[in-house]
Amino acid sequence: NAGVTQTPKFQVLKTGQSMTLQCAQDMNHNSMYWYRQDPGMGLRLIYYSASEGTTDKGEVPNGYNVSRLNKREFSLRLESAAPSQTSVYFCASSGQVPGELFFGEGSRLTVL
Amino acid sequence: DQQVKQNSPSLSVQEGRISILNCDYTNSMFDYFLWYKKYPAEGPTFLISISSIKDKNEDGRFTVFLNKSAKHLSLHIVPSQPGDSAVYFCAASAPSGSARQLTFGSGTQLTVLP
Repeated sequence: NAGVTQTPKFQVLKTGQSMTLQCAQDMNHNSMYWYRQDPGMGLRLIYYSASEGTTDKGEVPNGYNVSRLNKREFSLRLESAAPSQTSVYFCASSGQVPGELFFGEGSRLTVL
Repeated sequence: DQQVKQNSPSLSVQEGRISILNCDYTNSMFDYFLWYKKYPAEGPTFLISISSIKDKNEDGRFTVFLNKSAKHLSLHIVPSQPGDSAVYFCAASAPSGSARQLTFGSGTQLTVLP
């Protein structure tokens, strides 16, 4: 049962470097999401995609871009990483049950 | 300005006793509420939900209570087991069930002591 798979699990970047977080789901879900989790802040929505070919900003989109490559894959790109983007990033998808998100295991990013 | 608040960062409970996790919200437009559970190095997993048309929903050992007038919900776990030790997030949604509108609380670390 793969569910939602995200890579890499860990990454260390220097300020100004770029990187892409990859996410794929095998549950045939239409909607996919990227969240970040910071201490004391809960999970905050960065971007979401309601269906293939569409993306929309969430609560904290600045400094990020996304691509919904196909129904399965949704990537998150940091063009010029900043220390404020040090966080744990979660990809998620949702199916028919309202509000029920399926999360990946998370990607821990450190920006020095 | 956090619209969903979990004021207790941590909670310790003896095995077999009841665990009560609390959550307060400020946005009266929220009409669907959820609890997620998270183990270390894993993503959150959906636990239980409740619509604003109800005041209680049960699923096995887990019961969620909603008090709309107080803008308060709680998760009861009875009896608590060591495997329940995890971080619990409450989340709220508006409009009904729209996943993109989920607002999460900051989480409560539950430790169940054997």
